[in-house]
Amino acid sequence: DADVTQTPRNRITKTGKRIMLECSQTKGHDRMYWYRQDPGLGLRLIYYSFDVKDINKGEISDGYSVSRQAQAKFSLSLESAIPNQTALYFCATSDVSVGSPLHFGNGTRLTVT
Amino acid sequence: GNSVTQMEGPVTLSEEAFLTINCTYTATGYPSLFWYVQYPGEGLQLLLKATKADDKGSNKGFEATYRKETTSFHLEKGSVQVSDSAVYFCALRTGNQFYFGTGTSLTVIP
Repeated sequence: DADVTQTPRNRITKTGKRIMLECSQTKGHDRMYWYRQDPGLGLRLIYYSFDVKDINKGEISDGYSVSRQAQAKFSLSLESAIPNQTALYFCATSDVSVGSPLHFGNGTRLTVT
Repeated sequence: GNSVTQMEGPVTLSEEAFLTINCTYTATGYPSLFWYVQYPGEGLQLLLKATKADDKGSNKGFEATYRKETTSFHLEKGSVQVSDSAVYFCALRTGNQFYFGTGTSLTVIP
């Protein structure tokens, strides 16, 4: 089983709809992140959380919100989806130790029509 | 600020050719450096890492050396295979923040 699991893997939705992307992890990490990947732009940070009570905005948080339901669960919501939010979304986790890498899920491909 | 710059692709090589993907960084303090690989339809997987100057990370025939004097972490492989076709990302960690390059697409042809 994957250490970082994202659901759904693919989603097509219409403009104006609310959508939630879910992420769960079994690595026991406190730190969780949501990234967005667009061709030619690399990965951009949307939100991150260092524990259940700590939520922080990333560089592109407008139009998104998150919820950290438990240490192992971190969900991303688009309150009113728009076409330029069409992208590949990744959840990732990391350990607090210096030099520890990010561990990624397999991504959710979201299309907003 | 902190940033990562890596060579733009796409890169196309013949099987058994030598690979270099350049990566340079700007960072405060002493970052850790990483290379990730992304195969089609998958998430990013850690390929190798280095946590201090002059460290060499290696995995699956890939290598990269943390060069503080040139702020670089170039990825190399002596003989690429078709199965190495993927997108490669250079990244750094400083504190609890990660910064990524824009990725370099590699295609290896038989």
